[in-house]
Amino acid sequence: GQQVMQIPQYQHVQEGEDFTTYCNSSTTLSNIQWYKQRPGGHPVFLIQLVKSGEVKKQKRLTFQFGEAKKNSSLHITATQTTDVGTYFCAGYNDMRFGAGTRLTVKP
Amino acid sequence: DTEVTQTPKHLVMGMTNKKSLKCEQHMGHRAMYWYKQKAKKPPELMFVYSYEKLSINESVPSRFSPECPNSSLLNLHLHALQPEDSALYLCASSQPGQVDYGYTFGSGTRLTVV
Repeated sequence: GQQVMQIPQYQHVQEGEDFTTYCNSSTTLSNIQWYKQRPGGHPVFLIQLVKSGEVKKQKRLTFQFGEAKKNSSLHITATQTTDVGTYFCAGYNDMRFGAGTRLTVKP
Repeated sequence: DTEVTQTPKHLVMGMTNKKSLKCEQHMGHRAMYWYKQKAKKPPELMFVYSYEKLSINESVPSRFSPECPNSSLLNLHLHALQPEDSALYLCASSQPGQVDYGYTFGSGTRLTVV
């Protein structure tokens, strides 16, 4: 099945700095989902991207789907301590998760 | 707050024990999933049920046996587990065709095999 690679594995930022995580696939994705898992918690659905070049925003979070539908990114503007957690991408049809990016935020 | 309820939240079992994990959802979802998550790793897909029929088994050892008694319930029967099976077991559900809502996960069962 398709394999989604996610980078970076870890990201430590100062509160107020921006953060970006990237997912890349060797094959075209029909769609991609993003999840957030807080420490000790379970994955929570954030958003799904379906269209080539799609951009969606949720407050300080911006999600992009590449033109070729092989990559996606999540960007957080001005991080807050509440953003701490691991962010996963997942191919919807594949139901498999990328490795995740663990975000820590220093107050 | 989750709409997918998993019980128990914690389970400690010996290698000769038989136990079951339970998952229940009342959102009318017709697809249900079992995932296994080790510490600092992503969830790994184990089984998928679609319309109460097993549609995907990710080559999971037979000591894990899933069951879907009806559209709201999903069980995972455990027998003769190994210490390396200790992990967080997550249940999730989704509605086939409703792609905008993703998977809804339960809080998980944290399993320790001793």
